[in-house]
Amino acid sequence: DAGVIQSPRHEVTEMGQEVTLRCKPISGHNSLFWYRQTMMRGLELLIYFNNNVPIDDSGMPEDRFSAKMPNASFSTLKIQPSEPRDSAVYFCASSLGPLTNYGYTFGSGTRLTVV
Amino acid sequence: KNEVEQSPQNLTAQEGEFITINCSYSVGISALHWLQQHPGGGIVSLFMLSSGKKKHGRLIATINIQEKHSSLHITASHPRDSAVYICAVRFMDSNYQLIWGAGTKLIIKP
Repeated sequence: DAGVIQSPRHEVTEMGQEVTLRCKPISGHNSLFWYRQTMMRGLELLIYFNNNVPIDDSGMPEDRFSAKMPNASFSTLKIQPSEPRDSAVYFCASSLGPLTNYGYTFGSGTRLTVV
Repeated sequence: KNEVEQSPQNLTAQEGEFITINCSYSVGISALHWLQQHPGGGIVSLFMLSSGKKKHGRLIATINIQEKHSSLHITASHPRDSAVYICAVRFMDSNYQLIWGAGTKLIIKP
């Protein structure tokens, strides 16, 4: 398996533009997580899906952020409109399931810069 | 309150030294993860523990449930071990949320 695949690796966009980040989890993994990492706040959980259903989106900063998982092999995180404070590294991770003994596999991350 | 503390925050050592990074947590957990993040950002899961000890190559992770403490050890450290090491804990009252430590930045000098 190629692991968790994220795209793009880097994204530079202007304030106000729409940004879409993509994630392909490991085949067979039922849980998918979107994290954001900044120097100030470290790693923050944005949203968690289980079996393609959003379970917890309490970490999504505001209405400008939305995430979808239309099927088991694909998820998107969209920011519209983007702002400079959204600049961060966004990680997607997947796991076999939400239960206690399953480890995580992280993607390589998308480094987003909003200018 | 569910908290995770790591120490030290920064660690610089010479190649070959034995390295220990510590992680303490506040209440009962169901799992503890050690992860590695290299400059350039990728996160790699090293270990997941709920009890005892795990070893992979030069890396050893231990956990003491009674003391609410885990350690990550690196034997015969090498400059390529330079990275940020992160402890993340899944507390018993959550079946998916990870609470992250602040990370330990390790630099191994040749």
